[in-house]
Amino acid sequence: EAQVTQNPRYLITVTGKKLTVTCSQNMNHEYMSWYRQDPGLGLRQIYYSMNVEVTDKGDVPEGYKVSRKEKRNFPLILESPSPNQTSLYFCASIPGLAGFKGDNEQFFGPGTRLTVL
Amino acid sequence: AQKVTQAQTEISVVEKEDVTLDCVYETRDTTYYLFWYKQPPSGELVFLIRRNSFDEQNEISGRYSWNFQKSTSSFNFTITASQVVDSAVYFCALSEPYTGNQFYFGTGTSLTVIP
Repeated sequence: EAQVTQNPRYLITVTGKKLTVTCSQNMNHEYMSWYRQDPGLGLRQIYYSMNVEVTDKGDVPEGYKVSRKEKRNFPLILESPSPNQTSLYFCASIPGLAGFKGDNEQFFGPGTRLTVL
Repeated sequence: AQKVTQAQTEISVVEKEDVTLDCVYETRDTTYYLFWYKQPPSGELVFLIRRNSFDEQNEISGRYSWNFQKSTSSFNFTITASQVVDSAVYFCALSEPYTGNQFYFGTGTSLTVIP
């Protein structure tokens, strides 16, 4: 089944304890992205990657890191989480560079609810 | 400045009423894409429609219809004869594929359909 998976789905942690949220897609998509969703703010893009070893900052990259060593995986790393990073996180992928292949429907993962105490 | 504005934070309608969700966007690009997504109470994001900037034809899919007007930079979404299952948060989004490949979402409109 074609899908985007995220792990863990729920996580409660404490301030300063490094964590990684994994994201994997099995559709051979080139473009992958991370968003956070907060009440009243909608979804905001954290980082995105147009291909292996290519990553770019979105609107809210502070406090996050990403890597794209393989096409299928795009982990989100919080080196020193803080309470203001408590949020619902979504990973997404797109089949091909947006605009160039004319098809940029995003496939979203199920979300990871992170609480930082 | 917000690139995608959904001014309606919450809307409540009685079942079978029609409801229109507004979306206003801002871009300087001539090529861009607009989207609507639905987020039901279960939390997943469901793709509803994609429209590119060169296609101003309105679209109808069952009870759903979309009105794209470049002159007013709007991409409004109408649900006809609403049902309880339509209760969800709806997001409008914009992508500018030739300017950074970023995606911009609105803040969402929470729709409650009352039986």
